[in-house]
Amino acid sequence: DAKTTQPPSMDCAEGRAANLPCNHSTISGNEYVYWYRQIHSQGPQYIIHGLKNNETNEMASLIITEDRKSSTLILPHATLRDTAVYYCIVDALNYGGSQGNLIFGKGTKLSVKP
Amino acid sequence: DADVTQTPRNRITKTGKRIMLECSQTKGHDRMYWYRQDPGLGLRLIYYSFDVKDINKGEISDGYSVSRQAQAKFSLSLESAIPNQTALYFCATSDLQFGGRGEQFFGPGTRLTVL
Repeated sequence: DAKTTQPPSMDCAEGRAANLPCNHSTISGNEYVYWYRQIHSQGPQYIIHGLKNNETNEMASLIITEDRKSSTLILPHATLRDTAVYYCIVDALNYGGSQGNLIFGKGTKLSVKP
Repeated sequence: DADVTQTPRNRITKTGKRIMLECSQTKGHDRMYWYRQDPGLGLRLIYYSFDVKDINKGEISDGYSVSRQAQAKFSLSLESAIPNQTALYFCATSDLQFGGRGEQFFGPGTRLTVL
C-alpha cells in the first residue's frame, strides 16, 4: 500500500497557483518526500523532493510541515500543460540513489482549465 | 536522443507466447527498474537492479523475469504471457552517486496487449 494519501482529483484555473496536498503520517526520519507527475500516458517526470526544509526549483515549490506528516506541492502559475496526474512518494535515499521501492499510489489528477 | 529508450513501443501478442521488452539507457546510471501501470492506477514495481550482478524482486514479480546484460541494458521477459499482463510498462534509471537527487528517469513506455 502507498505510504501517502492524496485527493483523487483537483481543478485549477489557468494562471492561478495549484496547491496539491499530500499526507504521509508514517514517514520515517530517513525518508524524503518526492513529487512526480505523469502527463497522459508518458513516463513519469521528477518534479522536486525534500526532507524537512521547504524547497523550490524552476518547476514548483514544496512545503513540508514541521512534523513532516504532510506536504504541499505548489505550481505557482499553472498552465494547461500542467494537466497531469501528480504523485507524492516517500523514499529513502541510499547513497544518492533511490532504493527502488517507489510506491506511486493513484496520485491526484490535476485539471488546469482555461 | 532520449536518455532512456524502450523497445518495442507497442506490442500485441497471444496468450502463452514468450515476449521480451528491452530498455537501454545512455545516462550511465547503475540502477534500473521495471514498472507496470494498469488503467487508472499508479505504477507498480516489478524488478529492479542496482548493478549488473544485483537483481531484486519488486512488488509484483510473479510471471516476469529480467536480465541485466550490461550497465546500460535491462530486459523484462514474460515467459508465457497471459491477458492480465496487458498493461503499460515503464523502465527507469537512477544514479548511485552520493549526494545525488535520487530521482528516477523514466522511458516512454511499452504498451503491451495480450490477447
